[in-house]
Amino acid sequence: QQPVQSPQAVILREGEDAVINCSSSKALYSVHWYRQKHGEAPIFLMILLKGGEQKGHDKISASFNEKKQQSSLYLTASQLSYSGTYFCGMSSSNTGKLIFGQGTTLQVKP
Amino acid sequence: DGGITQSPKYLFRKEGQNVTLSCEQNLNHDAMYWYRQDPGQGLRLIYYSQIVNDFQKGDIAEGYSVSREKKESFPLTVTSAQKNPTAFYLCATEVGYGYTFGSGTRLTVV
Repeated sequence: QQPVQSPQAVILREGEDAVINCSSSKALYSVHWYRQKHGEAPIFLMILLKGGEQKGHDKISASFNEKKQQSSLYLTASQLSYSGTYFCGMSSSNTGKLIFGQGTTLQVKP
Repeated sequence: DGGITQSPKYLFRKEGQNVTLSCEQNLNHDAMYWYRQDPGQGLRLIYYSQIVNDFQKGDIAEGYSVSREKKESFPLTVTSAQKNPTAFYLCATEVGYGYTFGSGTRLTVV
């Protein structure tokens, strides 16, 4: 079953923060986050393994709550370059096979 | 430079025709995946392979076929049985640190 992402779309001004959520009905082994610009391939942002860890680099971080089968992506002090569609990909085993959410479109305006 | 090469970038298929999308990688990764993306949608898994000469169906395998005769290559054939093949097709590899995607093939039925 496809993970559910929310919200479907977000519009921000530069410097504002955003949170994108992803939830699954299945027990999870790992969560991936990707960003895709229009017409391009998705780019890997980060991976979180079960254990409730939180990761981040620069102003983008994520958390993974294994018990709630949820993950959240946090974008702080957003920049124009953050615009795009964000996808979570979830795996229920260590096979690497991912099932992706439907995506969240983020638009950052000057 | 290591990476994934998908070709062609654009492909036009006539009704009833089979077409093959190429995916080649020089990353020495064992696992390879094919996803389909429809406008405004997430990525849906077609087929995946974790080792040479072995592959498994994903969620939407009907109307598609693959082969994995070499580690570097994972071609996808869209057969005439696939009734709605117009989409953006993405190939990816994975080695435990997130997916690396090719630049995609945009297939259109004419």
